[in-house]
Amino acid sequence: DGGITQSPKYLFRKEGQNVTLSCEQNLNHDAMYWYRQDPGQGLRLIYYSQIVNDFQKGDIAEGYSVSREKKESFPLTVTSAQKNPTAFYLCASSRMAGAYNEQFFGPGTRLTVL
Amino acid sequence: QKEVEQDPGPLSVPEGAIVSLNCTYSNSAFQYFMWYRQYSRKGPELLMYTYSSGNKEDGRFTAQVDKSSKYISLFIRDSQPSDSATYLCAMSENAGNMLTFGGGTRLMVKP
Repeated sequence: DGGITQSPKYLFRKEGQNVTLSCEQNLNHDAMYWYRQDPGQGLRLIYYSQIVNDFQKGDIAEGYSVSREKKESFPLTVTSAQKNPTAFYLCASSRMAGAYNEQFFGPGTRLTVL
Repeated sequence: QKEVEQDPGPLSVPEGAIVSLNCTYSNSAFQYFMWYRQYSRKGPELLMYTYSSGNKEDGRFTAQVDKSSKYISLFIRDSQPSDSATYLCAMSENAGNMLTFGGGTRLMVKP
């Protein structure tokens, strides 16, 4: 059963802590993405990766970091430098990067900073 | 001003109604246009994909692009309660670019 999995579904963090959100895909896609969704804001791109061991900043990368050591995995770390981290985080993948390639989304992780 | 604007709604309609969802945009270079559907607490899924201007139909769904007005629409015929979701438009300048999303319109179809 192919798809994208994200874990955990809900995550609570104290201020000042770093947390890592997991994203795994078994679609054999080269490109992976992280988005942040806030009410009324739509999806904003945090980071994307077109190939293993390479990634690029999106529109709102400050306070976040990523790694792409394996094709299947693209974890996102929300650092304490992110001023307002409470949001819904979505991971996506596509066969290749770019608008021409359909992006498949995971179920999301809701992060709440206490 | 946001690059892509959508009325957040909620838009409430009775079952069987024709629904019109719209996006306006400011970047005249956009030429790839998509509509995503997102159910509550889920990730978005691609509904329709159009390139440049014109119409595209898929079952009960029709996507329209009017580049001269910088305006795109998604029409849903014979709306069903299962269509209740948030609809996001997304667009891009060219095939290699990342997508720019609208804020989404929440639709509620009442039985």
